[in-house]
Amino acid sequence: QVQLVESGGGVVQPGTSLRLSCVASGFTVTDYAIHWVRQAPGKGLEWVAIIWYEGSNKYYADSVKGRFTLSRDNSKNTLYLQMNSLRAEDTAMYYCARAFSGSSGFDRWGQGTLVTVSS
Amino acid sequence: DIQMTQSPSSLSASVGDRVTITCRASESINNHLNWYQQKPGKAPELLIFAVSSLQSGVPSRFSGGGSGTDFTLTISSLQPEDFATYYCQQTYSTPYTFGQGTMLEIK
Repeated sequence: QVQLVESGGGVVQPGTSLRLSCVASGFTVTDYAIHWVRQAPGKGLEWVAIIWYEGSNKYYADSVKGRFTLSRDNSKNTLYLQMNSLRAEDTAMYYCARAFSGSSGFDRWGQGTLVTVSS
Repeated sequence: DIQMTQSPSSLSASVGDRVTITCRASESINNHLNWYQQKPGKAPELLIFAVSSLQSGVPSRFSGGGSGTDFTLTISSLQPEDFATYYCQQTYSTPYTFGQGTMLEIK
């Protein structure tokens, strides 16, 4: 069964760091592009980042560029989103989602993990 | 960045109605246009990809159309489970922007 499960969210203070995980099952992450999408409370969807199949090409939204970093552990079929210098505006539910190609729709999503940045 | 603008932002309709949601891109995105449905407290679900291709398992009352910069999502006969928020998204170029969403409510 194809599944994505995020974890690692929590309540943190501004300026601190957090690492989110996205564990994939039922498929191999190296066969798909994996995206991160976030949704602030009561707001719409915001695309955050993509890591492509080969793992070396990554792109980030301007709002997180230089602060967030994607990585992948192929042996664990797991993706990571390292979030540094967190700001209040990073507060959101974070979803990972897969796409067959970089430009195709996101056909499977995780349930999300909530990140709250507050002093 | 490509801006995606949906209209309307909210819509009230009744079971059995035909509804259409519009999405406009700030520049041509070829056929790289997807539609998602999101229910409260849940992750989004892909309904339509590449403008008009129905995702597996999605009922045939959902359909997509358009080209270039203007696209539509049509629900031919609303069912109770269709009341949700709908988002369009372009995957033509990064950042893969979403529309602001259209909340479909029961009249």
